[in-house]
Amino acid sequence: NAGVTQTPKFRILKIGQSMTLQCTQDMNHNYMYWYRQDPGMGLKLIYYSVGAGITDKGEVPNGYNVSRSTTEDFPLRLELAAPSQTSVYFCASSYQGQRSYNSPLHFGNGTRLTVT
Amino acid sequence: EDQVTQSPEALRLQEGESSSLNCSYTVSGLRGLFWYRQDPGKGPEFLFTLYSAGEEKEKERLKATLTKKESFLHITAPKPEDSATYLCAVGGAQKLVFGQGTRLTINP
Repeated sequence: NAGVTQTPKFRILKIGQSMTLQCTQDMNHNYMYWYRQDPGMGLKLIYYSVGAGITDKGEVPNGYNVSRSTTEDFPLRLELAAPSQTSVYFCASSYQGQRSYNSPLHFGNGTRLTVT
Repeated sequence: EDQVTQSPEALRLQEGESSSLNCSYTVSGLRGLFWYRQDPGKGPEFLFTLYSAGEEKEKERLKATLTKKESFLHITAPKPEDSATYLCAVGGAQKLVFGQGTRLTINP
């Protein structure tokens, strides 16, 4: 069982370039999330999805976009990369029977992105 | 405002030296408190969920406890392989808030 898989593991972008971070899960979880992790800071929610076709903004959505066409996949798009987007990005999924945070998240191993 | 504060930021112990990590929180309507372990270059790995004050969970050398204001992760007779960053997250009715983590180093 692979769990949550993220690609690529590392990427260097120039300012203004675009890229898509890929995320797929095989646990049939309805909920999926994108977080960023910066040194000394807690994980910050970028976007989340409660099911295919439904996405919503998290705490720090500016500069990012997402889509959810299937239960398994939840890609994160950076349109015009900026140095402030240098971070480690984690995708996660969870099963939640209700619309509240009572189920643990299962994380991928992250994408380390540097924008120069 | 929902908040989670972990202390200490970093902790260095000798192998076999027991200690505790703290997670203090304020949240509207606690749904669950989660502990994760994160190794360098990896994603957080789920350890425990606690749902109500007084609850305790154990796994090998780790024991998590919960009160109405804080949670402790007790580490008994740790080994070098317990070295990692430990994250606490608190789930409320509207959001999940992560602490900044405690970086634990166990020296042999």
